[in-house]
Amino acid sequence: QVQLVQSGAEVKEPGASVKVSCKASGYTFTNYDINWVRQATGQGLEWMGWMNPNSGNTGHAQKFQGRVTMTRDTSISTAYMELNSLTSEDTAVYYCARDFDGSGSARGYWGQGTLVTVSS
Amino acid sequence: QSALTQPPSVSAAPGQKVTISCSGSSSNIGNNYVSWYQQLPGTAPKLLIYKNDKRPSGIPDRFSGSKSGTSATLDITGLQAGDEAGYYCGTWDSSLTVGMFGGGTKLTVL
Repeated sequence: QVQLVQSGAEVKEPGASVKVSCKASGYTFTNYDINWVRQATGQGLEWMGWMNPNSGNTGHAQKFQGRVTMTRDTSISTAYMELNSLTSEDTAVYYCARDFDGSGSARGYWGQGTLVTVSS
Repeated sequence: QSALTQPPSVSAAPGQKVTISCSGSSSNIGNNYVSWYQQLPGTAPKLLIYKNDKRPSGIPDRFSGSKSGTSATLDITGLQAGDEAGYYCGTWDSSLTVGMFGGGTKLTVL
């Protein structure tokens, strides 16, 4: 069965960086895009960006321009999302989510989420 | 503020039907597939509907989706207490080349 297992909770100081991992299993990692979505406490879902694990091509929301990097290690079927220059507004649960059917139209499988807390 | 507009909350009694709307524009809903997600408290979102009106395996037919023009709708019939959750629409914006979600709708089963 498809599983996405994310790294554990992080506490970071303002200005620092965080790197969240997402280990995939149960399918061929390079066949489906990975999206990153975040959710601040009590707020809605916010799409951050996507990555094609085969090519390494990425795209992201404009608000994260220059701050977010999405990478992967195909040898261990793991995707990574690194966010730099953290502020308190980046405190949120970060999810990785796999494309459902290869069409890019829906996020069908989600990781359990990684809580990132930014605090001094 | 999301580019996809959903009502903040809806409510109905057990057994009843509820409709959740999602309004966008020609660059997003108007020219792309819509998906719907259910998020129970403290859990990750779950895909309910993809490609406007298709249900993944295991999703009851009480959940149905539709799209017309620049709006989409999620219908839930035979409401159950376990349906209390947040519901989000999602799509792609071809002009901005970004994914997007609606602001979310909190469903209360009275």
